[in-house]
Amino acid sequence: QVQLVQSGAEVKMPGASVRVSCKASGYIFSDNVIHWLRQAPGQRPEWLGWINNGNLNSYYSRDFRGRFTIIQDTSATTVYMDLTGLTSRDSAVYYCAREKGGRYPYWGQGTLVTVSS
Amino acid sequence: DIQMTQSPSILSASVGDKVTITCRASQTIDNFLAWYHQKPGEAPNLLISRVSDLEGGVPSRFRGTGSGTDFTLYIDNLQPDDFGIYFCQQYRNYPLTFGGGTTVDI
Repeated sequence: QVQLVQSGAEVKMPGASVRVSCKASGYIFSDNVIHWLRQAPGQRPEWLGWINNGNLNSYYSRDFRGRFTIIQDTSATTVYMDLTGLTSRDSAVYYCAREKGGRYPYWGQGTLVTVSS
Repeated sequence: DIQMTQSPSILSASVGDKVTITCRASQTIDNFLAWYHQKPGEAPNLLISRVSDLEGGVPSRFRGTGSGTDFTLYIDNLQPDDFGIYFCQQYRNYPLTFGGGTTVDI
């Protein structure tokens, strides 16, 4: 079955960077697109960007361009998101999700990123 | 960006009730509208795509309608497992955007 397993919770200082991983299994990795979203407490999900797991093209929300990057290790079927210049407003649960025509039937379990001094 | 507005933000209901949640887009999104259900501490779960297409395993008591900018999620015969937050999402244009959520309190 399709599984997306994310790395564990992170606590970071303001100004630091964070990397979250998303290990995919149970389907043909290179035939799909994985997105990253985040959800702050009590808020709606917010879309961050995607990577095409076949051709490695990526596309980001303009609100995060310049400090958000998605990369992948194809042999490990793992996608990574990097977010730099962290502030308290970046504290949220970060999710990877496999896209199906623009919507998300498959999600990772979420990774809590806390930014605090 | 397309803004998605849901109402109500909170809804109190009882088991067996029929529930109605509305979602309005700031511009037409054709039929590129999905609904999700989220329980505390879990990722959102996709219920409905393309306005009215139920995902596999979703009970038929869930029904979606609408077109253009106005959409509705109906839940018939509310069950205890239905508590949580419901979000709509448009996937007509990037950035993909979600409604603010409707908390169904049973």
